[in-house]
Amino acid sequence: KNEVEQSPQNLTAQEGEFITINCSYSVGISALHWLQQHPGGGIVSLFMLSSGKKKHGRLIATINIQEKHSSLHITASHPRDSAVYICAVRAYGSRLTFGEGTQLTVNP
Amino acid sequence: DAEITQSPRHKITETGRQVTLACHQTWNHNNMFWYRQDLGHGLRLIHYSYGVHDTNKGEVSDGYSVSRSNTEDLPLTLESAASSQTSVYFCASSEGTGLYNEQFFGPGTRLTVL
Repeated sequence: KNEVEQSPQNLTAQEGEFITINCSYSVGISALHWLQQHPGGGIVSLFMLSSGKKKHGRLIATINIQEKHSSLHITASHPRDSAVYICAVRAYGSRLTFGEGTQLTVNP
Repeated sequence: DAEITQSPRHKITETGRQVTLACHQTWNHNNMFWYRQDLGHGLRLIHYSYGVHDTNKGEVSDGYSVSRSNTEDLPLTLESAASSQTSVYFCASSEGTGLYNEQFFGPGTRLTVL
């Protein structure tokens, strides 16, 4: 079993829909990261959080440390949100352990 | 603007050849990382460095080596390339070990070993 599990693996939505991507992990962590990988391959960091909730534009990330679970929400989804979303956890120092990613496709 | 670059972006090589992938960052970050990305797996850590002359093995280090002679560069060497090393390679850097320490990723190198 992977230390970081994401669900779903693939998600197709219609423009405007509310989207949720889930991440569960099995180890104690100091922080959790959500990353976005564009179709061209570039990877950018969206959020880092260790408790509670963070919001940036239409993106919201939450984490429940007791349940070892995090969710990434996208409100009013748009085709430009189509990408792979990756959850990663930091347990020791600066090293990250990554989930396999969720491929999101938003159709117009 | 500070950035992290990788070269080459695409490389085709033959089994048994030595290959070096370059990673250069101008953030002046202490920490640098090499990952590989394959279908069915998340990004997996190959090697990492917390500063000049420091190198450490990650979870998939067999067949790879790195050296850190300055802050800006962490080249990744495949001593004798194997077909199993066909992958997309990402370099990343981060400033330190603080709680909210963000990693910045390079654009990736697609390596094909024939």
